[in-house]
Amino acid sequence: KAGVTQTPRYLIKTRGQQVTLSCSPISGHRSVSWYQQTPGQGLQFLFEYFSETQRNKGNFPGRFSGRQFSNSRSEMNVSTLELGDSALYLCASSLPTSGGGADTQYFGPGTRLTVL
Amino acid sequence: TQLLEQSPQFLSIQEGENLTVYCNSSSVFSSLQWYRQEPGEGPVLLVTVVTGGEVKKLKRLTFQFGDARKDSSLHITAAQPGDTGLYLCAGTSGSARQLTFGSGTQLTVLP
Repeated sequence: KAGVTQTPRYLIKTRGQQVTLSCSPISGHRSVSWYQQTPGQGLQFLFEYFSETQRNKGNFPGRFSGRQFSNSRSEMNVSTLELGDSALYLCASSLPTSGGGADTQYFGPGTRLTVL
Repeated sequence: TQLLEQSPQFLSIQEGENLTVYCNSSSVFSSLQWYRQEPGEGPVLLVTVVTGGEVKKLKRLTFQFGDARKDSSLHITAAQPGDTGLYLCAGTSGSARQLTFGSGTQLTVLP
């Protein structure tokens, strides 16, 4: 079974531009979560999508948005890029199981975004 | 905001040595997971612990969840260069689905 794939793997943008990152979850997984990883802040939760609906959201400004399609693929968008948005953006998919609590999340390799 | 603090932040040891990484919080977690991340890759789940006092062993790796479910440790016996990587703990609380990650421990095992 193929793992989580993310495209592109590397991206260079300039301040003020916008960017769209893509994530294809493991086949059969319906939940997709996005995380930002930086040396200073570590891994921080951005948002989670399930059945095309945002189910949870982290503490990030509105410039960060996402969506999920009917085939569970997800995209995240960052508008008006700032230097501090340079990071590794990770996508993780999970089934999920019923009930509360975290499900096992499987991470993709990430998209390395550099903002100049 | 729930915080998970990991220590040490960096660890460089010789092959064959033992080591322990700690993950501490003032908050109670319903479950705690340990991941390892290698350069250019996403984190890979090693183990999930859910019961206070639980101990899980995965070959040379031993994971323990504190009795109060506020802390956890990862012990590696006879470390090998292949163990090199960033070790991350992550917790969930209550019915929350998102993971709160620790700051990570960068382990380097020298041959």
